[in-house]
Amino acid sequence: EAQVTQNPRYLITVTGKKLTVTCSQNMNHEYMSWYRQDPGLGLRQIYYSMNVEVTDKGDVPEGYKVSRKEKRNFPLILESPSPNQTSLYFCASRPSETYEQYFGPGTRLTVT
Amino acid sequence: QKEVEQDPGPLSVPEGAIVSLNCTYSNSAFQYFMWYRQYSRKGPELLMYTYSSGNKEDGRFTAQVDKSSKYISLFIRDSQPSDSATYLCAMRRGSNYQLIWGAGTKLIIKP
Repeated sequence: EAQVTQNPRYLITVTGKKLTVTCSQNMNHEYMSWYRQDPGLGLRQIYYSMNVEVTDKGDVPEGYKVSRKEKRNFPLILESPSPNQTSLYFCASRPSETYEQYFGPGTRLTVT
Repeated sequence: QKEVEQDPGPLSVPEGAIVSLNCTYSNSAFQYFMWYRQYSRKGPELLMYTYSSGNKEDGRFTAQVDKSSKYISLFIRDSQPSDSATYLCAMRRGSNYQLIWGAGTKLIIKP
């Protein structure tokens, strides 16, 4: 089944404790992206990657890191999480030069 | 001011009603316009997209774009309880397929 998977689905952590949210897609898509979704603000892009070893900042990159060492994987790293990073996070992928993005199921992160 | 405005709702209508969901935008350079549907505890999925002004129909769904008014709409005919979801509009900003999103409208179809 073609899909985007994220892990973990739910995470509660404390301020300052480094964490990684994994994202993997099995559709051989070039483009991958991370979003956060907050009430009233919609989806905001954190980082995106056009292909392996090519990443760029989205609209809200502060406090996040990403890497793209393999085409299928695009982990999101929070080096020192803070409470304002409490949010619902989505990973998405798509083929190049299309608009249809395929989203993962989401990761609900709470930072206390 | 947000670049894309969308009423968060919730919008509650009886089954069978015609639903109208809307977004306004401020940047006349926006081009491709998309509607995504997001069920509770799921990621968004693409419903429809359109480029030009006018209407595009797909089954019970019609997407309408009015570039002169910077206004897009999604109409749902014969609404069903399974249409209950949050509907997000999105549009292309720039030439690199990056999207800017509305906040989403929560739609509830009552049986």
